[in-house]
Amino acid sequence: GQQLNQSPQSMFIQEGEDVSMNCTSSSIFNTWLWYKQDPGEGPVLLIALYKAGELTSNGRLTAQFGITRKDSFLNISASIPSDVGIYFCAGPSGGYQKVTFGTGTKLQVIP
Amino acid sequence: EAGVAQSPRYKIIEKRQSVAFWCNPISGHATLYWYQQILGQGPKLLIQFQNNGVVDDSQLPKDRFSAERLKGVDSTLKIQPAKLEDSAVYLCASSLGRGGSNEQFFGPGTRLTVL
Repeated sequence: GQQLNQSPQSMFIQEGEDVSMNCTSSSIFNTWLWYKQDPGEGPVLLIALYKAGELTSNGRLTAQFGITRKDSFLNISASIPSDVGIYFCAGPSGGYQKVTFGTGTKLQVIP
Repeated sequence: EAGVAQSPRYKIIEKRQSVAFWCNPISGHATLYWYQQILGQGPKLLIQFQNNGVVDDSQLPKDRFSAERLKGVDSTLKIQPAKLEDSAVYLCASSLGRGGSNEQFFGPGTRLTVL
C-alpha cells in the first residue's frame, strides 16, 4: 500500500526558531493534508493542499504541495511553546474519502 | 458547533476481556471512521462507514473487532477478546462525505491499555 515517510522523526528547537519538516510518498497524490496532534487529543487539520506547487499559509504555518506531487513541506515560523506536538501529513489512499497518515514528526520547543 | 465525541477517554482491561467504545460524529457528517493509533505511529484506519453502510473494513481484524453504525449517526467499536497488542488509542473521525474534500475531524480518542 501507499507509504508516507516524514522527516525528521523528532526535533528539539529553541523558542523563536523556524521549523521545517517534510513528507514523501511512494506514489503521486492530488491532495496533501497536514495535521497536528496534541498530547492526549486527536489530530486537528492545519492545512489542506489541492494543487501541485500550491503554497498555503495558516498564521505562522506554511505548507507547500511539491511539484512532483510526491512530497509536501510544512514550515513553522517563530516557534512558540504551544507548537509542541506531533505533526502528521496525510493523503488520499484510494477509496472514497480515505486517507493514509504519515509516520509523524514530533516537535519539542524549548522555552 | 460540537466536535466529535468519544467515550470513555481511558479504559484498562485484562487480556481476553471485552471492551466497547462509543463515538458521536459531528452533526450532518455522513462518513465516520475508526482509527487505531499505536504509540509512536500515525493513525491506521480500521473501518469506514458511509451513513450506516461499511465502505472499507479491510484492515479490521474481524476475528476480534466489530463495529456498527445502526442509525447512521453514532457508532460503537468492540473488541472481543482483547489482546496485549490492542493497547492503543482508538480515534473516531467524521467528514461531510460529499464532494472531493478529504477533511476529517477527529475526536479526542479512547486510550486502551490491555494488561
